[in-house]
Amino acid sequence: NAGVTQTPKFQVLKTGQSMTLQCAQDMNHNSMYWYRQDPGMGLRLIYYSASEGTTDKGEVPNGYNVSRLNKREFSLRLESAAPSQTSVYFCASSLQTAVGGNTIYFGEGSWLTVV
Amino acid sequence: DAKTTQPTSMDCAEGRAANLPCNHSTISGNEYVYWYRQIHSQGPQYIIHGLKNNETNEMASLIITEDRKSSTLILPHATLRDTAVYYCIRHGNAGNMLTFGGGTRLMVKP
Repeated sequence: NAGVTQTPKFQVLKTGQSMTLQCAQDMNHNSMYWYRQDPGMGLRLIYYSASEGTTDKGEVPNGYNVSRLNKREFSLRLESAAPSQTSVYFCASSLQTAVGGNTIYFGEGSWLTVV
Repeated sequence: DAKTTQPTSMDCAEGRAANLPCNHSTISGNEYVYWYRQIHSQGPQYIIHGLKNNETNEMASLIITEDRKSSTLILPHATLRDTAVYYCIRHGNAGNMLTFGGGTRLMVKP
């Protein structure tokens, strides 16, 4: 049981390049999330998917797109990377998003540097 | 305002209890209080959560005041491996996702 798995763990991009961060969970969770964490800061929500087939914007969605490929997988795409997107990206999942004891499980993070 | 207020940093002696406070004075009736921690360079780890009653699990205890405006996370016997940033988070209705503030940086010292 791997939990939440993210790839790649490290990536360096040039400004303007595109890339996709992959995320998969094996806990049969309905909801999945992408967060970013800048140095010395808390996590900020980029996008989330409450259930398969739905996606919604979080706090900082600009410059990103997401795809909920199936129940297990939720990818984050940077179409034209900018230095401001240099950050650590965390994928997460939970059984559901509704109130009522909703524990979120995080992956180990993807370190992205845009030069 | 879905934010919480926590001290920026705290120290604790190894083997002693670590008491981490959190203020959430504007919390609404259907919002839970969650605690997560993040050990350097790792993904956040769930610790405990509660609504009204005090809660205890194998990792920690959560004490919520009767008016629910504040809470305290207690690590009963802190170890060096408990050195981390601890986040107190409010979580309520669907669509109001976990919002992480700056957290408290706990340093457990020998």
